[in-house]
Amino acid sequence: GENVEQHPSTLSVQEGDSAVIKCTYSDSASNYFPWYKQELGKGPQLIIDIRSNVGEKKDQRIAVTLNKTAKHFSLHITETQPEDSAVYFCAARPSGGYQKVTFGTGTKLQVIP
Amino acid sequence: NAGVTQTPKFQVLKTGQSMTLQCAQDMNHEYMSWYRQDPGMGLRLIHYSVGAGITDQGEVPNGYNVSRSTTEDFPLRLLSAAPSQTSVYFCASSYEGVAGELFFGEGSRLTVL
Repeated sequence: GENVEQHPSTLSVQEGDSAVIKCTYSDSASNYFPWYKQELGKGPQLIIDIRSNVGEKKDQRIAVTLNKTAKHFSLHITETQPEDSAVYFCAARPSGGYQKVTFGTGTKLQVIP
Repeated sequence: NAGVTQTPKFQVLKTGQSMTLQCAQDMNHEYMSWYRQDPGMGLRLIHYSVGAGITDQGEVPNGYNVSRSTTEDFPLRLLSAAPSQTSVYFCASSYEGVAGELFFGEGSRLTVL
């Protein structure tokens, strides 16, 4: 089955700096890569996703890049703000099995004011 | 619009006791699933359902049962709780198809003594 590795497990940045979280996946059949943000005491919420026919996608201060050859994808947050502090999960889903999403182990991001 | 509702939010059990975690969604989603979240291990799929009357096992199904008698409800049953089942449980639902976004409930924290 799919295996998703996520690094780092914790990340502290100064407010206004950029944050980068990296993930690798093992199943070359995976074609959908979402990122979820989990605030304290809440369930995860989708913040951005990318499909295998796209190399990069941006949404305001958030961007995701995908390198299918190397089987890795990354989340980039620019101009970080205290409200960006949360746990972030990457995930991968293979084609033909949309429901079997495999999550990474999570990154706890702390933005220091 | 309530989205995905989980009850109870907190529960303490003794080893060997049984209980049911309830999950209901009002978005008419065909797909529903249960995940457990443990420190350093991300979100692991327990069971999932692609429609009423259809269920299947995920990555960590042992010790858990599910049923799907209606589109709205997807309860998770622990027949004989064990300390290893101490975790935070999340129910999630999504539309069938390529969209793929999972909508999560706010979680149920279970402690087994």
